[in-house]
Amino acid sequence: KQEVTQIPAALSVPEGENLVLNCSFTDSAIYNLQWFRQDPGKGLTSLLLIQSSQREQTSGRLNASLDKSSGRSTLYIAASQPGDSATYLCAVNYGGSQGNLIFGKGTKLSVKP
Amino acid sequence: DTGVSQNPRHKITKRGQNVTFRCDPISEHNRLYWYRQTLGQGPEFLTYFQNEAQLEKSRLLSDRFSAERPKGSFSTLEIQRTEQGDSAMYLCASWGIRYGYTFGSGTRLTVV
Repeated sequence: KQEVTQIPAALSVPEGENLVLNCSFTDSAIYNLQWFRQDPGKGLTSLLLIQSSQREQTSGRLNASLDKSSGRSTLYIAASQPGDSATYLCAVNYGGSQGNLIFGKGTKLSVKP
Repeated sequence: DTGVSQNPRHKITKRGQNVTFRCDPISEHNRLYWYRQTLGQGPEFLTYFQNEAQLEKSRLLSDRFSAERPKGSFSTLEIQRTEQGDSAMYLCASWGIRYGYTFGSGTRLTVV
């Protein structure tokens, strides 16, 4: 069964810290992997999309890496801010260009001022 | 186009009633997906359209659920004879080659 696991389930850090969120997947034959942010009661905002041939993607203070062989991805957030507080979801696409996403349960991040 | 639009944002209904949700995808995206998310969980795939054709349905999509996408534009998701277990956030997404999935803000359904 293809599963996506995110650790930790929740994380609280003081403002300014660099932090890493982890995502692991059971089947390494992925097509791509996408990180999303979700604010309470809201929809999902795409942060970074990594194709299976790529090792990392960067956007501003965010950097996502992908290691297919070990079945892992990490989302690195530099210089965290209170506005970064949200749930971060990792989603894996196994089905090619038409594939649907398999999501982890998310990491709930709280950045304290 | 500003993104994927979903209506209504919230819906409260009595058990046994029918409800319908609407999703307007990004206009140039021909693929449209429906997901369901319960509290504390990640979204789960329900169904997917390529233009007007419904190409895949999850086992989560019971006979009480039906989705349409007439003319390959907006889509509707109908739930008949709602049950309390149907309470969830229903998310719509469209897919484009550059940015992957773009999700709407969701419709939160509460069945009382």
